[in-house]
Amino acid sequence: GNSVTQMEGPVTLSEEAFLTINCTYTATGYPSLFWYVQYPGEGLQLLLKATKADDKGSNKGFEATYRKETTSFHLEKGSVQVSDSAVYFCALSGGNNDMRFGAGTRLTVKP
Amino acid sequence: EAGVTQFPSHSVIEKGQTVTLRCDPISGHDNLYWYRRVMGKEIKFLLHFVKESKQDESGMPNNRFLAERTGGTYSTLKVQPAELEDSGVYFCASSFRGGLDIQYFGAGTRLSVL
Repeated sequence: GNSVTQMEGPVTLSEEAFLTINCTYTATGYPSLFWYVQYPGEGLQLLLKATKADDKGSNKGFEATYRKETTSFHLEKGSVQVSDSAVYFCALSGGNNDMRFGAGTRLTVKP
Repeated sequence: EAGVTQFPSHSVIEKGQTVTLRCDPISGHDNLYWYRRVMGKEIKFLLHFVKESKQDESGMPNNRFLAERTGGTYSTLKVQPAELEDSGVYFCASSFRGGLDIQYFGAGTRLSVL
């Protein structure tokens, strides 16, 4: 079945550092891929998505490219801020209401 | 417009007791989903409602869990009797359409079974 594996945390970075959170997936067919973020005390929010191979999702300085050849959807940001501290979840959907999530990666950014 | 709201935010109960979690979806969203995150692991799907009907309940762990959505508005998830392994964060999400439509999540209910 479909599944997602993401980099285990926690990740601690200094402000303005480069961020990469790895995510790989296993799926049949052509899933859509997502990154969700959960800020402290809030619900999961959709950060970005990509619906087909080679698509790049981007939002708030974060980017992720749907790589079918490596079955990956790594999240990157060039310069993180303290306000980016949160838990990040990679997810996929095959389109049949079958959302699958990774375990989540906690990011802490220190000033 | 109000987002998805969940109540309570945190519940602490003893093993063997009953707990009922509530989810109010975004108004007009026919699709409602329950998920659970246990012990910092992945978020796992529990079930999916379309209006008041259970579309998919393949993720429900066992018959101690009962989900309802009477009238197709808010939903409740009852755990009876609760066991230690039921501890975790229960998330609710809703979407206007199903499939790949964006799911909007609530803040979750943290359930601690002692």
